Amino acid sequence: GIQVEQSPPDLILQEGANSTLRCNFSDSVNNLQWFHQNPWGQLINLFYIPSGTKQNGRLSATTVATERYSLLYISSSQTTDSGVYFCAVGDYGNNRLAFGKGNQVVVIP
Amino acid sequence: KAGVTQTPRYLIKTRGQQVTLSCSPISGHRSVSWYQQTPGQGLQFLFEYFSETQRNKGNFPGRFSGRQFSNSRSEMNVSTLELGDSALYLCASSPAGSGYGYTFGSGTRLTVV
Repeated sequence: GIQVEQSPPDLILQEGANSTLRCNFSDSVNNLQWFHQNPWGQLINLFYIPSGTKQNGRLSATTVATERYSLLYISSSQTTDSGVYFCAVGDYGNNRLAFGKGNQVVVIP
Repeated sequence: KAGVTQTPRYLIKTRGQQVTLSCSPISGHRSVSWYQQTPGQGLQFLFEYFSETQRNKGNFPGRFSGRQFSNSRSEMNVSTLELGDSALYLCASSPAGSGYGYTFGSGTRLTVV
């Protein structure tokens, strides 16, 4: 199956700082999503982005499908951005998602 | 509109018992997928149901099973529980099973003692 690698595994940010999370995947995909897992365990869908660039408030994401990577940008981070960010991909003809191990982000005031 | 509802939220079971978890998808969503999350293995796909049929299955033993009803609600069952089955079980629904619009529930945290 598809392998998904996320970096960095852990990140500590000062409130107000910017950061970039990276997701590399091993094969062509037709589905790529970024999620944020809150402290209660719920996964919140941030972006569905198999290619191109999207922005939602202080978050934006870019996927370069031909080079098999995606980036999630967090600008002007806030303490509420803390949590684990997951990249998940789905391969062609298969509707299941393969998840990376996540980026643990801690934003300190 | 209501989100994905998973019940129960917490569960404690004894080794050897069986357990059934429930997932009610967003209204109109026909695909329901189940995932297991553990600290060691991360998030792993269990299975996906679409229109009452299992369409995909992950690499889990036969003790893990599921089903989907005509109203798209889904249940998963784990028989002969082992300590290693302790995990957060998450279900997600999507409209047409393409993976687009995945919405997760809050999960069921299962502890096996």
